[in-house]
Amino acid sequence: DIVMTQSPDSLPVSLGERATINCKSSQSVLSSSNNRNYLAWYQQKPGQPPKLLIYWASTRESGVPDRFSGSGSGTDFTLTISSLQAEDVAVYYCHQYYSTAWTFGQGTKVEI
Amino acid sequence: QITLRESGPSLVKPTQTLTLTCTFSGFSLSSTGVNVGWIRQPPGKALEWLALIYWDDDKRYSSSLKTRLSITKDTSKNQVVLTMTNMDPVDTGTYFCAHGAGGGGVSDYWGQGIPVTVSS
Repeated sequence: DIVMTQSPDSLPVSLGERATINCKSSQSVLSSSNNRNYLAWYQQKPGQPPKLLIYWASTRESGVPDRFSGSGSGTDFTLTISSLQAEDVAVYYCHQYYSTAWTFGQGTKVEI
Repeated sequence: QITLRESGPSLVKPTQTLTLTCTFSGFSLSSTGVNVGWIRQPPGKALEWLALIYWDDDKRYSSSLKTRLSITKDTSKNQVVLTMTNMDPVDTGTYFCAHGAGGGGVSDYWGQGIPVTVSS
């Protein structure tokens, strides 16, 4: 299985400041057939299902604020929140959907 | 709009088989590229991907759980069923189903989840 490792596990950030979450996959999730990274980012708040933020590593889902951005390729990826808002406090997960068996990272808790 | 709803028992005993149903609307699981998957989350812990079924009946399973899992679809009823055998207390958690289609099939719409407790 492809193992997804996020860092850090917990990230205290002040309101208005930048938050950066890293995700590393144990194998590349870049497809040679279409040159796309099968990497997504989710946001989960307590008592709610995960919400898709980013797919193809850097494509923002419709309706997601542009302060959220994704970057990276191959095995190393980053989710950036450019200016943290109070409503962004949540756990963030990276997720690969490249291999036969999909996997998630362990999550990063963003708090103020 | 796309909606999904999980249903099934909230309590199962150890060694029993869990059967969960995902009933959906707003899409067809016979449309090319569409999938429905199952993901679970133990209390206070991370998401764990379990299984996926595609419009063409292709099925995928978690490597660590594949001997215990089975996923099927009933296109006419707009339902996907997940069964998990030999349940254990460590299988306690919230079970989600999710829709995928665009973006390579990434799960974009999720149900609210169903909590399942495994206890004697």
